Amino acid sequence: ILNVEQSPQSLHVQEGDSTNFTCSFPSSNFYALHWYRWETAKSPEALFVMTLNGDEKKKGRISATLNTKEGYSYLYIKGSQPEDSATYLCAFKRNQGGKLIFGQGTELSVKP
Amino acid sequence: EPEVTQTPSHQVTQMGQEVILRCVPISNHLYFYWYRQILGQKVEFLVSFYNNEISEKSEIFDDQFSVERPDGSNFTLKIRSTKLEDSAMYFCASSEMQGRNQPQHFGDGTRLSIL
Repeated sequence: ILNVEQSPQSLHVQEGDSTNFTCSFPSSNFYALHWYRWETAKSPEALFVMTLNGDEKKKGRISATLNTKEGYSYLYIKGSQPEDSATYLCAFKRNQGGKLIFGQGTELSVKP
Repeated sequence: EPEVTQTPSHQVTQMGQEVILRCVPISNHLYFYWYRQILGQKVEFLVSFYNNEISEKSEIFDDQFSVERPDGSNFTLKIRSTKLEDSAMYFCASSEMQGRNQPQHFGDGTRLSIL
């Protein structure tokens, strides 16, 4: 059974804090790793698609790294803002087929 | 920016009834997916669809489920005889291609409540 795990489950930080969370996935048969940002009552928004070991991607204050050999990816948010409050989902893809296998998400709450 | 749209946003149905969830994928996308999230659980894959046929389906996607692209724009998920455990948020997604770097674009979801 393929399992994707995210930690922590939830995180409460103050505005301006930097934060990071982890996504663990099977290190064998790796094809791609997706990160999504999901606000309540909205659609999950694609942040990054990571494919190569050592990949680092950045979008504004959000960045992500990938280690396929050990099976983990980190998502970093620098200087968190209240509008960053959302659930961050990672999803593992093991082959060219479309199936994404999701983690349970990290719920981030940023207080002003 | 083009987006995936889903209707209705909330559907309440009696157990045993048929339900159809509708999706309009992004217009130039060729690959379509349904996922669902039961409250408190992970988002789980149901089915992928390409070139008018199912590419892959999960164990959840049994004979009670079917998908269809009845015209050039809509993509539907039908549950023939709903059960209580079908209550979940159902997400439609689409992608332009199935390449390594292709994200899947999700709709806002349909919350299905079975009574």
